[in-house]
Order: sequence, then C-alpha cells, then structure tokens
Amino acid sequence: GAGVSQSPSNKVTEKGKDVELRCDPISGHTALYWYRQSLGQGLEFLIYFQGNSAPDKSGLPSDRFSAERTGGSVSTLTIQRTQQEDSAVYLCASSPPMGAGGSGGEQFFGPGTRLTVL
Amino acid sequence: QKEVEQDPGPLSVPEGAIVSLNCTYSNSAFQYFMWYRQYSRKGPELLMYTYSSGNKEDGRFTAQVDKSSKYISLFIRDSQPSDSATYLCAMTRSNFGNEKLTFGTGTRLTIIP
Repeated sequence: GAGVSQSPSNKVTEKGKDVELRCDPISGHTALYWYRQSLGQGLEFLIYFQGNSAPDKSGLPSDRFSAERTGGSVSTLTIQRTQQEDSAVYLCASSPPMGAGGSGGEQFFGPGTRLTVL
Repeated sequence: QKEVEQDPGPLSVPEGAIVSLNCTYSNSAFQYFMWYRQYSRKGPELLMYTYSSGNKEDGRFTAQVDKSSKYISLFIRDSQPSDSATYLCAMTRSNFGNEKLTFGTGTRLTIIP
C-alpha cells in the first residue's frame, strides 16, 4: 500500500517568504508527527497530532511555525517569514492506532521536504 | 547537553566486518528504544525496537539496551554494502505511537566492498 507522502520534495524560497509543506499520512493512521532534520542535529520533534485531541506543539521553535491537520488526515506545516536557519529537511511520520498489530505505534516516515531558504 | 548522544561518524568498515553503533542518553524515563536506518534522500525506516534492558536479535542485527548505564547498541554482523546508510537511535518514555521520539544525531556508515 501507499506510504506517507510529502510535497513538495524540494522547496527553494527567499528569506522572508512564507512556505507550506504538505503531508499525506497512511490511510487509517491516527497519529501524525512533524520532525525537522538539520545537518548534524538529528531529527527534532516539532508537533504531534493524535485523533481529535489538541496537538502537542511543544517542539515548534517559534511562533513563525504552525501546523494543522484537516479531517484527521492531511497535514500542512506553515513557516512564515522564513529565515536561513529554517533550511532543513522536514519529515512527516504517521502511526496506526495502538493495538493495531505488528509494532503497534511504529512511526512510518515520509521522504521529507528539503527546504532551502536563500 | 542533548538528551541523546550519538557519534556522527562517519564510520567506514570493510564488507563482512562486525559493526557496532552506540548511543548514550541522560533521561532515565526512557523505556522504549529504537534504531532507524535512513538511506540518502529517504525517510528513516524502523530497523529494531526493544523495551527496557536486554538484547534483541533479528537476522544479522542485534540491539542491546543497558538501562543501568544509559547505553544502547546496535550490532551488524556480516556487514554488506547495502547496509551503507545513516543509523539513528531513538527513544521514548511510553509505548511509541503516543509520544514523540527523541533521536540521536545519526551515525553515517559506509561498508566498503
């Protein structure tokens, strides 16, 4: 079946512009995560959605970052007034409901969106 | 200081060698430990997971957790060129799926034919 998809795969923007990154999770997965991967920094948690619960926004680095998840499926990560330090690969992951079998809550990652801010 | 420390490498070994990858962590609340493999320009994929201390083996891969030392390891036996990738350790306090993962920086591994 289809995995997690993200678009665009690459995005080059100018400093100060807004960008939107999209994530399509695996159908039926209730949890959705956004991470950021910078050179030498590993993956840093940004935000987490679980069903209809309020999202965990504790990893968002500033108020320029926001995310929403519509209809419990597709998610959009928005970065306003981009800065050069926002350049990174933005990864989305989804996981099935607990008790769904296999590794249960394993997080399945998309290929990421590589963002370059000039 | 980061919660999870991992030597970024790079690490190069000849084909057939045993590879040892390690992470240390500081948060004693971590209970679930994972190793992800990430090929270039791809997202990470789960390789192995373990709960609490102990060993787990899956084919050529063995994961070890020593909670008393806050130290986890991944061993790769009979390494193959296809094992060349970045290996990330990750951990969480609760059964993953309900909580964010805390990652190490990743170790870039190259297996030389």
